[in-house]
Amino acid sequence: AQTVTQSQPEMSVQEAETVTLSCTYDTSESDYYLFWYKQPPSRQMILVIRQEAYKQQNATENRFSVNFQKAAKSFSLKISDSQLGDAAMYFCAYRSPIIQGAQKLVFGQGTRLTINP
Amino acid sequence: NAGVMQNPRHLVRRRGQEARLRCSPMKGHSHVYWYRQLPEEGLKFMVYLQKENIIDESGMPKERFSAEFPKEGPSILRIQQVVRGDSAAYFCASSPQISNQPQHFGDGTRLSIL
Repeated sequence: AQTVTQSQPEMSVQEAETVTLSCTYDTSESDYYLFWYKQPPSRQMILVIRQEAYKQQNATENRFSVNFQKAAKSFSLKISDSQLGDAAMYFCAYRSPIIQGAQKLVFGQGTRLTINP
Repeated sequence: NAGVMQNPRHLVRRRGQEARLRCSPMKGHSHVYWYRQLPEEGLKFMVYLQKENIIDESGMPKERFSAEFPKEGPSILRIQQVVRGDSAAYFCASSPQISNQPQHFGDGTRLSIL
């Protein structure tokens, strides 16, 4: 079974600075999807960024980018120019390829990110 | 332009009562997933359904919990004879049939057991 580990329960960063959130995962599959979700105090689950394992290029979405290291099974999230609205819980998630019919997301424990003004 | 709709937003039940949580997927989505989030934890998969079929219920407790997604109407997660340990946030997500697309989440139902 796949597992996802986020080793940083809490992180903090100064507004406008850059922060990196860590995520590692364990799988025997060669193709899969990885996601970062943000959960603000309102408790919504908001998709931040996604990465297909077969793509070597790291995904980027505006101020958010990932460092995907497939061999190391590492998928870190970098937030540049941190803003107060980035304060939230961040969850890393894994999903098997759709052809296997196992489309459930496997989540890490989360990292609580605090932005200091 | 409705996203995934869950209701109620908050549900309070006494021990031994039944809890029914509803989820209407996004328009055009035929796959529904239920997840549970205990306090200060990540989301844990419970069940994956398509219309009238349970595809994967590997995360569902064997007793007291059931889920359905009928041909018409919302998906229902039903918890019978609730206990204190059932207190959690329950999230529903949906995705299209051709599903290399990410799942879209509802705002969750927070279940509190007195």
